Amino acid sequence: QKEVEQDPGPLSVPEGAIVSLNCTYSNSAFQYFMWYRQYSRKGPELLMYTYSSGNKEDGRFTAQVDKSSKYISLFIRDSQPSDSATYLCAVNAGGTSYGKLTFGQGTILTVHP
Amino acid sequence: KAGVTQTPRYLIKTRGQQVTLSCSPISGHRSVSWYQQTPGQGLQFLFEYFSETQRNKGNFPGRFSGRQFSNSRSEMNVSTLELGDSALYLCASSTGPGNTIYFGEGSWLTVV
Repeated sequence: QKEVEQDPGPLSVPEGAIVSLNCTYSNSAFQYFMWYRQYSRKGPELLMYTYSSGNKEDGRFTAQVDKSSKYISLFIRDSQPSDSATYLCAVNAGGTSYGKLTFGQGTILTVHP
Repeated sequence: KAGVTQTPRYLIKTRGQQVTLSCSPISGHRSVSWYQQTPGQGLQFLFEYFSETQRNKGNFPGRFSGRQFSNSRSEMNVSTLELGDSALYLCASSTGPGNTIYFGEGSWLTVV
């Protein structure tokens, strides 16, 4: 079993839709949670970064972490064609392991006009 | 502020050769990590360096190695290249625990 499970999709939505992306993880030691966006042939770009459980909002993006169920989510409101990309969740245990991220497989999202 | 810079961006090597990839972290970042990204396995952690010391290592064979210099710049080396080493190699940097991790654009390696 992978440490982080993420539905690879692909996910196709119309412009303006609310997108929900999810990951589950197995190790309760993880305490830092991130979402990255990766466009084709580019490096991952950090979207959201949260520590421990709770919600964090940044513009059209909301990240949720539920450590009790080991479940993390990213919501995109008013999705745009420019949001079409692969979305990667990543987790980290912190401390001396901070530089080691464990990623989900990535969800391919297409937002069509 | 300049981002994480990786060189070269694209390269083609022959099986059995070796390759060295370079990474310049964001100024002030002392932690540098390397990842391999392939369509089948996704993004996988290779190793991490902090202040010239390897702190963590992923589950890769010994053909994969790295080092970090006193100016925090890092290199990774892959010896005796195999076709399966064809991948996007990504470098990431951070100031340390609790702080955000930023990625470079990656080095595309094709082994023929």
